[in-house]
Order: sequence, then structure tokens, then C-alpha cells
Amino acid sequence: DAKTTQPNSMESNEEEPVHLPCNHSTISGTDYIHWYRQLPSQGPEYVIHGLTSNVNNRMASLAIAEDRKSSTLILHRATLRDAAVYYCILRVPVGTGNQFYFGTGTSLTVIP
Amino acid sequence: NAGVTQTPKFQVLKTGQSMTLQCAQDMNHNSMYWYRQDPGMGLRLIYYSASEGTTDKGEVPNGYNVSRLNKREFSLRLESAAPSQTSVYFCASSEAVAGGPTDTQYFGPGTRLTVL
Repeated sequence: DAKTTQPNSMESNEEEPVHLPCNHSTISGTDYIHWYRQLPSQGPEYVIHGLTSNVNNRMASLAIAEDRKSSTLILHRATLRDAAVYYCILRVPVGTGNQFYFGTGTSLTVIP
Repeated sequence: NAGVTQTPKFQVLKTGQSMTLQCAQDMNHNSMYWYRQDPGMGLRLIYYSASEGTTDKGEVPNGYNVSRLNKREFSLRLESAAPSQTSVYFCASSEAVAGGPTDTQYFGPGTRLTVL
């Protein structure tokens, strides 16, 4: 079973905020929440990650629910270059390293 | 820095042929990963190597073998290709401290494989 669930697709108008939701109800206390995005014909690229507290960086913000069973990626002003598939991922410690469990992703369409 | 490089970019095989996908990283990362991506399926882990000298199965290992040649290189081999292995294959690396706060993955550009 998938560790994360996301809507298949979302649309946003250009220059408006976008909220991309993700559910991860089986998350454990040591699992980090990561978001990556994938542009057409490219490999995924890192966007943001967090454990318990909300996080901000130059690309986006991550809001994590108090019980950590869901999170929301926030793009403050969508641009046409933000059109991509966004993946919500759980990073799980395994042995001396980590495994990254991808969901099926949300395809974001930005409307000019 | 080239980051993560993969060769080849494209490959067409006939059923039963073998081939090796190559991956190299120049970031001195400990862990390396092989994923496959099929339409509507997201990325699924085939094999990973948490550190040099170790490899472990992921979610979909059947039909594949891997070799962690050294800290930089991690190869994926298809011994007898099948049409079900038609996919896009991504290699990734990460610094990898288990449970550490900063570990993130860096991906290569992918190999598009078609098995006829």
C-alpha cells in the first residue's frame, strides 16, 4: 500500500497561491516528509522537507498537521514554470541509510 | 560538478537480451538508488545501496541485479529483458545518515528503455 496519497491533478491560475495536499496516515515518528517535483522529461528535483514544524524556503512552504498525518505544499505565487508533477514522499530510516517512498504525484497545471 | 549521470539515455532491446544501466555520482554520497517510473505509478524502488559494499532489494527487484562498484558507481543489470521492463529508469544518490535531518536525494536524467 502507498505510504502517501495525493490528488491526481490540480489547476491554478498564474500568480495565485497553490495548496497541494498529501495524506500520510501511517507515518512514524522518525519519518521525514519530503516534496519533490518533476518537470517533463527530467528527473525529480527536491523542493522542501520537514519533520514536525512548518518549513519555508525560497521555492515553497510546507505546512505539517499537528498529528503529522497530513501535510500541504504551498506555492505562494504560481508561475508557468511551476507546472510539474509534485510528489509527496516519506523518508524512512533503514539500517544505516534512508528509503524514500514516493506517492503517485499531483500533476499541477498553471493557467495563464 | 556533474551531479548524477546515467548512461545510456535511450535503449531499445529485444526480449531476452541483456544490458547494464550505468550510474555515477560525484557528490561523495553514501547511498545510491535505482527506481523505475511507469505511467500513473510514480517512482518505485528497485534496489538501493545504503553504503559502499551493501545492496538491498526495494519494492520491485524481480528481473534485476545491481552492483555497487565503488562509492561513485551503481549499476543495474537486466539479465533477460522482458516487455514488462519497458520503463524510465532513474538513478539517485543521497548523503544518507539514517534519520538525519538533512538527507535529500539527487536524481539523474533517466534512461528510457523499450523492450520489444
